[in-house]
Amino acid sequence: KAGVTQTPRYLIKTRGQQVTLSCSPISGHRSVSWYQQTPGQGLQFLFEYFSETQRNKGNFPGRFSGRQFSNSRSEMNVSTLELGDSALYLCATRQGASYEQYFGPGTRLTVT
Amino acid sequence: GENVEQHPSTLSVQEGDSAVIKCTYSDSASNYFPWYKQELGKGPQLIIDIRSNVGEKKDQRIAVTLNKTAKHFSLHITETQPEDSAVYFCAASRDNTNAGKSTFGDGTTLTVKP
Repeated sequence: KAGVTQTPRYLIKTRGQQVTLSCSPISGHRSVSWYQQTPGQGLQFLFEYFSETQRNKGNFPGRFSGRQFSNSRSEMNVSTLELGDSALYLCATRQGASYEQYFGPGTRLTVT
Repeated sequence: GENVEQHPSTLSVQEGDSAVIKCTYSDSASNYFPWYKQELGKGPQLIIDIRSNVGEKKDQRIAVTLNKTAKHFSLHITETQPEDSAVYFCAASRDNTNAGKSTFGDGTTLTVKP
């Protein structure tokens, strides 16, 4: 069974630009969560999507948004990038009613 | 909201020794407590988890204990090996609907010296 896929793996952007990251879940997994990982703040929850609907949301500004498609693939978008948005963005997927989350390798975003 | 504290932040042991990592949580409604291992360049990998109706769970060299009264849970690794070297994270969430909204500890960097 293929694991969670995230694209791209690395990204360099300039302040003020926007970026879109993609996550393809394990087959059969309908829930996708996004986390931001930084050395100073650790792993912080951004949002979770299930069946194309946002189910949970963390405490991030509105510049961070996401969506989920009918095939369960998810994208997250960050607009008006700031230097502090530099981080590893991880997605984690699970079957709808299960507890176990499976993480992808992450997308390393660098904002200059 | 939930707050999870993890100790120690770094841990160095000799190969063959045991390693213990501890976490405390604040939300008494939390009932799912997973542990993740993150190796360099990879995403966190679930290694063991425990739910609030269980006090202890073991999987080969890894065990997790939970004390709901004291709101703390611990990861125990016995007979450590160099390949156990990684960053370990604890997490907590309320239920299966919210398991995708986990609160993580800050991580413990475990180094196992050959």
